[in-house]
Amino acid sequence: SQQGEEDPQALSIQEGENATMNCSYKTSINNLQWYRQNSGRGLVHLILIRSNEREKHSGRLRVTLDTSKKSSSLLITASRAADTASYFCATGSGGSNYKLTFGKGTLLTVNP
Amino acid sequence: SQTIHQWPATLVQPVGSPLSLECTVEGTSNPNLYWYRQAAGRGLQLLFYSVGIGQISSEVPQNLSASRPQDRQFILSSKKLLLSDSGFYLCAWSTQVTGELFFGEGSRLTVL
Repeated sequence: SQQGEEDPQALSIQEGENATMNCSYKTSINNLQWYRQNSGRGLVHLILIRSNEREKHSGRLRVTLDTSKKSSSLLITASRAADTASYFCATGSGGSNYKLTFGKGTLLTVNP
Repeated sequence: SQTIHQWPATLVQPVGSPLSLECTVEGTSNPNLYWYRQAAGRGLQLLFYSVGIGQISSEVPQNLSASRPQDRQFILSSKKLLLSDSGFYLCAWSTQVTGELFFGEGSRLTVL
């Protein structure tokens, strides 16, 4: 079964707006990662947050992690049409970082 | 810098035919290697992972097998393809430490 579940499944916004995607998971984790996938392409790693971290920034990306609620959010500020893609959260657990479990993703469409 | 190559990019095969997808990594040693499958509109399903030459772990019982004949080579195979084997196959690698995955561009398999 999927460990991470993204919400919403699809999100459509206008260029310049902020986009927020959420991820919930079920078991304890070592870290949580966010990936981006353009249509028909491989996934690209965006950011990793460890279980002892609460917030992390990378450029226009902001990730939060609430281990008590077993949830994470990805915020993309000042979105651009080029941000249109699917975004996946992935959790590393089981005492090892070797295996990641992915959710089904959020399809983000940024309209120019 | 590290690179990952995956081929073929597109494959159309009849039911019952064999399959071989190949993945190679350059610029790193002793990577963890992974094969994921992505069905249309769904998340990624981990099929196989390998932490060393000849060491293969299967996550899901299925019609596929994997081999790692060299440190940076990972092969996904099938003796007889099923319709349900259609999908987008992604190879990825990670270091032993962070768990961050680096993906290839994927191989789209259509079984007719």
